[in-house]
Amino acid sequence: DAGVIQSPRHEVTEMGQEVTLRCKPISGHNSLFWYRQTMMRGLELLIYFNNNVPIDDSGMPEDRFSAKMPNASFSTLKIQPSEPRDSAVYFCASSSINHFGTGGNFNEQFFGPGTRLTVL
Amino acid sequence: SQQGEEDPQALSIQEGENATMNCSYKTSINNLQWYRQNSGRGLVHLILIRSNEREKHSGRLRVTLDTSKKSSSLLITASRAADTASYFCATAPGRNMLTFGGGTRLMVKP
Repeated sequence: DAGVIQSPRHEVTEMGQEVTLRCKPISGHNSLFWYRQTMMRGLELLIYFNNNVPIDDSGMPEDRFSAKMPNASFSTLKIQPSEPRDSAVYFCASSSINHFGTGGNFNEQFFGPGTRLTVL
Repeated sequence: SQQGEEDPQALSIQEGENATMNCSYKTSINNLQWYRQNSGRGLVHLILIRSNEREKHSGRLRVTLDTSKKSSSLLITASRAADTASYFCATAPGRNMLTFGGGTRLMVKP
């Protein structure tokens, strides 16, 4: 298995532009997570999907951020319009959750290599 | 605030020495996980310990869990330069997702 695949690996854009980050989870995993990592705030969970359905998006910073998972093998995180403070490394991770709703029987998460976003 | 907090924030040791990192958390958990992140890479899962376990081993890694103190420790024995990385603990505080701490940056000098 190739693991979690993210694209692009690096993205440099100008303020106000739309940015789309892509993720392909590990085949067979039923949960997908988007994280953002910065020096100041560490690793933050933005949103997670279970069986392609968004379960918790409370970490999404604001309406400029949106995420979709049209099928089990693809997800996108979009920022429109982008701002310099969005500069960070964005990680996608996937996992297989055994018991949805129990609040904690979480298996390990497998992370992609990340997308380093720079907004000028 | 973060559910898990690692201590120390940074640790520098010589190759061959043991490295101990601690994690404290606030709410009850089902399990606690440790991850490693090499510079410029994604996180890699190291070990998972369930709330009914007190100690777990994996190779040179030893993890302990004290649910009464809401704390965990990760011990890396006989450290190698290749162990240089950031180490994160992660807990599932009942919202069906993991919350990561700020991490411990480990430097192993050859």
